[in-house]
Amino acid sequence: RKEVEQDPGPFNVPEGATVAFNCTYSNSASQSFFWYRQDCRKEPKLLMSVYSSGNEDGRFTAQLNRASQYISLLIRDSKLSDSATYLCVVRRDTDKLIFGTGTRLQVFP
Amino acid sequence: DVKVTQSSRYLVKRTGEKVFLECVQDMDHENMFWYRQDPGLGLRLIYFSYDVKMKEKGDIPEGYSVSREKKERFSLILESASTNQTSMYLCASNPGGFTEAFFGQGTRLTVV
Repeated sequence: RKEVEQDPGPFNVPEGATVAFNCTYSNSASQSFFWYRQDCRKEPKLLMSVYSSGNEDGRFTAQLNRASQYISLLIRDSKLSDSATYLCVVRRDTDKLIFGTGTRLQVFP
Repeated sequence: DVKVTQSSRYLVKRTGEKVFLECVQDMDHENMFWYRQDPGLGLRLIYFSYDVKMKEKGDIPEGYSVSREKKERFSLILESASTNQTSMYLCASNPGGFTEAFFGQGTRLTVV
């Protein structure tokens, strides 16, 4: 079983839709959590960190459920420019960053 | 702006060659990482370094070694390149703790 698991998608949604991605992790010692975004043929970039109490950044909301060991990302009012692969990232206690395989989102007009 | 620079965007090497991939960061970060990214498998950690001369194996270290003689530079070495090492290689760095990792632009290595 992979340490960080994501549904690979693709998720095909129309502009303006709300879409949610989940990610599960298996190592209960995981300490920090992040969502990264990767555009085609580009390097990953941080989208947002995920805090225990949940956090929001504009149209994006991230949640953490430690009991069930999953994190989620909600995107409201999807834009064409949101089309990308979204990577769930977990930091182990030794500072290693472990990536999920990514969920591909395609927003269509 | 943090900058992580990988020495090559594209590289073609022959089976059995020794290959060096170089990565340099300019922000005095403690941690540096080497990943490879393959379709359907995502980013997989090869090696991690948390200080000069300090390293830890990641999830797929076989066939690779690393060197970190200076804080800003982290090299990935393929001792004897094989075709199954054809991949996109990504270097990253961060200061440690609950902080963002910054990536280089990637090196697409093809072993023929």
